[in-house]
Amino acid sequence: GQQVMQIPQYQHVQEGEDFTTYCNSSTTLSNIQWYKQRPGGHPVFLIQLVKSGEVKKQKRLTFQFGEAKKNSSLHITATQTTDVGTYFCAPSGGYNKLIFGAGTRLAVHP
Amino acid sequence: NAGVTQTPKFRILKIGQSMTLQCTQDMNHNYMYWYRQDPGMGLKLIYYSVGAGITDKGEVPNGYNVSRSTTEDFPLRLELAAPSQTSVYFCASKRTDDTEAFFGQGTRLTVV
Repeated sequence: GQQVMQIPQYQHVQEGEDFTTYCNSSTTLSNIQWYKQRPGGHPVFLIQLVKSGEVKKQKRLTFQFGEAKKNSSLHITATQTTDVGTYFCAPSGGYNKLIFGAGTRLAVHP
Repeated sequence: NAGVTQTPKFRILKIGQSMTLQCTQDMNHNYMYWYRQDPGMGLKLIYYSVGAGITDKGEVPNGYNVSRSTTEDFPLRLELAAPSQTSVYFCASKRTDDTEAFFGQGTRLTVV
């Protein structure tokens, strides 16, 4: 199946520090999606990456898809308390199932 | 558009009771999913459907059943509730296999 591993499981940073989470697969993926879940909330779609080596930015968030399409990363520059939550990745495109990685929980200390 | 609507939001069940968690979407999406999320943990796929009349097992289907008689509705049935089924349940839908998924607000279920 299209299992992915996310690291780290948990990270806490001081407000203003950068944060990166990684999503790794043992097989080549078609696409990768990223979601964010705020504490007590439901997952919300952030972005989908499709092309090898693709880089997309959303304000302070930078998403990258590896050249081999086996890994992806999400980098947040200068974290804010609004970035608190759990970030999930999920393979997409050609898979009927939507299976998420275990997620990375981000805590931001003011 | 309401998006994905789940009912109820909260429910307390006694061991051995049964219940149906309702999920409906008004976006004409083909793909629908049920997940459970235990405290501090990730999303585990219970069942999914790629269209009306088609359902399939996910990662953790035991103790649950689903049906998909219409495009809009995807109810999840718990037949004999057990404490291990205490969790938050999310329903999600998407139009195709490579489009974004939309989630409902979740149902918080406690089995005592």
